[in-house]
Amino acid sequence: AQKVTQAQTEISVVEKEDVTLDCVYETRDTTYYLFWYKQPPSGELVFLIRRNSFDEQNEISGRYSWNFQKSTSSFNFTITASQVVDSAVYFCASGGGADGLTFGKGTHLIIQP
Amino acid sequence: NAGVMQNPRHLVRRRGQEARLRCSPMKGHSHVYWYRQLPEEGLKFMVYLQKENIIDESGMPKERFSAEFPKEGPSILRIQQVVRGDSAAYFCASSPVQGDTEAFFGQGTRLTVV
Repeated sequence: AQKVTQAQTEISVVEKEDVTLDCVYETRDTTYYLFWYKQPPSGELVFLIRRNSFDEQNEISGRYSWNFQKSTSSFNFTITASQVVDSAVYFCASGGGADGLTFGKGTHLIIQP
Repeated sequence: NAGVMQNPRHLVRRRGQEARLRCSPMKGHSHVYWYRQLPEEGLKFMVYLQKENIIDESGMPKERFSAEFPKEGPSILRIQQVVRGDSAAYFCASSPVQGDTEAFFGQGTRLTVV
């Protein structure tokens, strides 16, 4: 069984601040994937990243960066210089097998102008 | 290359009616996953299907819910005798191979039971 915990229910910051969204996962699988998705107010799910459990390198994509720490079972997501358009619910998920993905409950990020 | 297509986007049903949600996977994808998102919650896995086969339905409620993915046509999630608690967003995802959960998601169907 897998479990994903996003302890931050809601975060509110002022535009241009940096913000980090936490994600802690539990799994008994030796090989697994970790994901982040964005759900804007319009409701669709936007895929942001997939990370293989064997690859602990941090990744940066523009203003987004991800820190994967296997030792602490965490896969945190940082937005640098946040913008109003970043306002959304962000979901962390784990999985990779036939039983689909296990999602956290999401973090509602509010970027104030 | 069209993405995962779900229809309808919004569906309103009265209690006791049937709801049919459709999902057309991406071209070349033969694996389909259905998820349910209750208000203020994350997505919960319901069922995983390949063409003509249900592989894992461990997340499906035992009664009133069924899913199929026929040889031709879209995958269908069917909810019989809907109740208010079925109101949710239902998402479909597809992938080209098992476990390759890059998980291309559709835009979801928002079911409202009145």
